[in-house]
Amino acid sequence: NAGVMQNPRHLVRRRGQEARLRCSPMKGHSHVYWYRQLPEEGLKFMVYLQKENIIDESGMPKERFSAEFPKEGPSILRIQQVVRGDSAAYFCASGADSYNSPLHFGNGTRLTVT
Amino acid sequence: RKEVEQDPGPFNVPEGATVAFNCTYSNSASQSFFWYRQDCRKEPKLLMSVYSSGNEDGRFTAQLNRASQYISLLIRDSKLSDSATYLCSIAGAGSYQLTFGKGTKLSVIP
Repeated sequence: NAGVMQNPRHLVRRRGQEARLRCSPMKGHSHVYWYRQLPEEGLKFMVYLQKENIIDESGMPKERFSAEFPKEGPSILRIQQVVRGDSAAYFCASGADSYNSPLHFGNGTRLTVT
Repeated sequence: RKEVEQDPGPFNVPEGATVAFNCTYSNSASQSFFWYRQDCRKEPKLLMSVYSSGNEDGRFTAQLNRASQYISLLIRDSKLSDSATYLCSIAGAGSYQLTFGKGTKLSVIP
């Protein structure tokens, strides 16, 4: 199954530590998106990347959060100095290089900050 | 007006019932429309795309009303397994990025 792969599924970090979330897009997809979902809330767009380029990071907090999608390897969402408010489900999605294409989601990383 | 709005529900319907959800959007230039289904603590899964002429997939029918700027999802003969949250998602013209509604929760009751 060449679906969107995310790891880890669950991540527990203490306040002040760093969290690194990984995402490998579906085979043939060159667009990667990160979304955050708080309990009982909708999906909030964070960042959109193509290989080696950040296309739109308008939904990502300016501080402590960064994202990359290197030429080789998975996309990484990095959260430095985590706080309790960062606890959420982080979903990665990938899409084809075509308008009108739906996004396909990975099974998410559930981050808990203690 | 929010970019994408959905009635959060919950919609509690008996098995076999027909239920419909609407989703309104504010950007008249929106071009791509989709319905996703999300089960509790799972990832969203694509249910169906929404085409201008309307489209059907088994018990599910999706429609687009550009004049009133909403899309709809109709589920006929509801099954217990249809219980989930239904998310609408929309992309603007020339945009790859999808904006999601907060979802409508459906509970199908025996």
